[in-house]
Amino acid sequence: DAEITQSPRHKITETGRQVTLACHQTWNHNNMFWYRQDLGHGLRLIHYSYGVQDTNKGEVSDGYSVSRSNTEDLPLTLESAASSQTSVYFCASSPGTAYNEQFFGPGTRLTVL
Amino acid sequence: KQEVTQIPAALSVPEGENLVLNCSFTDSAIYNLQWFRQDPGKGLTSLLLIQSSQREQTSGRLNASLDKSSGRSTLYIAASQPGDSATYLCAVYQTSGSRLTFGEGTQLTVNP
Repeated sequence: DAEITQSPRHKITETGRQVTLACHQTWNHNNMFWYRQDLGHGLRLIHYSYGVQDTNKGEVSDGYSVSRSNTEDLPLTLESAASSQTSVYFCASSPGTAYNEQFFGPGTRLTVL
Repeated sequence: KQEVTQIPAALSVPEGENLVLNCSFTDSAIYNLQWFRQDPGKGLTSLLLIQSSQREQTSGRLNASLDKSSGRSTLYIAASQPGDSATYLCAVYQTSGSRLTFGEGTQLTVNP
């Protein structure tokens, strides 16, 4: 069955380190998204991509970057991890238009000490 | 800026009760509205998607309605079961900025 996976599921890192969270989907969806979920803020969009070589900033993009070299993967990189980036991160994908459902991965819990 | 509000924040009901979860949004320029379920420590599961031109969608015991002009949606759960216990999130896909904006969710507990 097609799916969307995230790795690692849990990560502990130190302030200042570079961290990359992986997202892989096997649906061949054009659109991919990264969100973070925090108490009191709900889910907020970090970055998104509408296809290979396309990336766009979301609501809370500072300190994060993404690259899209193929259809299946959208890795999220924290350039220099900060304690404020401790959160649960979700990747999502959708087929290709605004009218389609978004499907979410299981999430990565990141702790920055 | 689009704002999505879900009321109540938490709800506890006895098994078998029919219930309604509410979602309101401030900007009616949306493509669609999506309801999700989230279990503790898990990802989001899509329940229903309503296009902006539609009034409602049904899946099993779930029925979601959309009144775009008034900025409201409701999720109706019939004959609730303990397995329905979870947090329910609504999200609108707005035309400006092409992004999903989420509410903070309603935490539902169905007691046996």
